[in-house]
Amino acid sequence: EAGVTQFPSHSVIEKGQTVTLRCDPISGHDNLYWYRRVMGKEIKFLLHFVKESKQDESGMPNNRFLAERTGGTYSTLKVQPAELEDSGVYFCASSQVGVSGETQYFGPGTRLLVL
Amino acid sequence: AQSVTQLGSHVSVSEGALVLLRCNYSSSVPPYLFWYVQYPNQGLQLLLKYTSAATLVKGINGFEAEFKKSETSFHLTKPSAHMSDAAEYFCAVSKEGGSNYKLTFGKGTLLTVNP
Repeated sequence: EAGVTQFPSHSVIEKGQTVTLRCDPISGHDNLYWYRRVMGKEIKFLLHFVKESKQDESGMPNNRFLAERTGGTYSTLKVQPAELEDSGVYFCASSQVGVSGETQYFGPGTRLLVL
Repeated sequence: AQSVTQLGSHVSVSEGALVLLRCNYSSSVPPYLFWYVQYPNQGLQLLLKYTSAATLVKGINGFEAEFKKSETSFHLTKPSAHMSDAAEYFCAVSKEGGSNYKLTFGKGTLLTVNP
């Protein structure tokens, strides 16, 4: 079974540019989460999808971030325009709905550097 | 709000020595608790989880953790460290609320194993 995959693995962009991160969850996992780790800080929750519906966007930093999950499969996270403070590692995780304890399986992350 | 405190951002042990990584949590509801490990250039991998069953939880690679409600702790231990255990370890808590089990992480503990 394939794990959670994320693309690209690294991205270096200039301030003001747009970047789109992609996450492919484990097949059959309806829950999809985005997290971010800024250097020196803890990993923080960004948002949660159940299928194509956003359940919780409370962690999204501001309206420069837009997440979508069309069709309830893969998800994209767009940052437009990117700022210096957006640099960090963006993780995606997926899990099955209704499983006790709900283990989240993480992807390898996308390392974003905004110059 | 939930929170996690990991004491010690960096722990160094000798090969064969006991590994003890500390985690204390705060939660207003019975928590689910997790330990994840991140090896260099990889994603987060689940080591073990506590979901209100047995208080002593055994995980992969010889790790275990004990849930102590009175101390609000979930410390991670391994009797004998191996060089391959060198990695960053994250304690996390999730809250059972609807279908959202978003994780709240500690800041992580970097484990170094010396030969």
